[in-house]
Amino acid sequence: QQPVQSPQAVILREGEDAVINCSSSKALYSVHWYRQKHGEAPIFLMILLKGGEQKGHDKISASFNEKKQQSSLYLTASQLSYSGTYFCGTRGVTGGGNKLTFGTGTQLKVEL
Amino acid sequence: KAGVTQTPRYLIKTRGQQVTLSCSPISGHRSVSWYQQTPGQGLQFLFEYFSETQRNKGNFPGRFSGRQFSNSRSEMNVSTLELGDSALYLCASSLGTGGPYTEAFFGQGTRLTVV
Repeated sequence: QQPVQSPQAVILREGEDAVINCSSSKALYSVHWYRQKHGEAPIFLMILLKGGEQKGHDKISASFNEKKQQSSLYLTASQLSYSGTYFCGTRGVTGGGNKLTFGTGTQLKVEL
Repeated sequence: KAGVTQTPRYLIKTRGQQVTLSCSPISGHRSVSWYQQTPGQGLQFLFEYFSETQRNKGNFPGRFSGRQFSNSRSEMNVSTLELGDSALYLCASSLGTGGPYTEAFFGQGTRLTVV
């Protein structure tokens, strides 16, 4: 089942902060965050694992609440370059290899 | 290190035709996954190949098929194209077996338009 992302869209002024949420109804092994700019490939940002380990971008932080199967991506002091669509991809605890199930995305626009 | 290469970048086909898309993963990566991206459905998993074997398959009709070669390059084929197959098809390359730190790196995609 597809994870649910919120908000669907957000507009920020440069320097403002934003939080993007990702919720799943299934038990998760890991959550992967990507950003995609129009016409470009999704770019890997971060992985969060059960147990609290993280791997990813120095300037972006995220959390993973295992009890709620929720992840949040924190974008602080936003820059124009942060604009794009953010996707969370989830990997379940039972098999699945490298399969990721993606949310429908959050469109973020940063303005001057 | 070269990234994931997908060819062609753009394709226009007629309903009923078939199409083959190609993906060359990052050197050393043995897993290739395919996704369909549309405005309404987002990123939908098609299938994954690892060491020339299909390891996972999404909920797509049998018209969608794929294969992987010994050099890890992968192709996906869509037969009897329908208008609804118009989408961006993305290929993702991963190092191995889906362990905890296995990131997926995406190619630029192939934009398929069915008319």
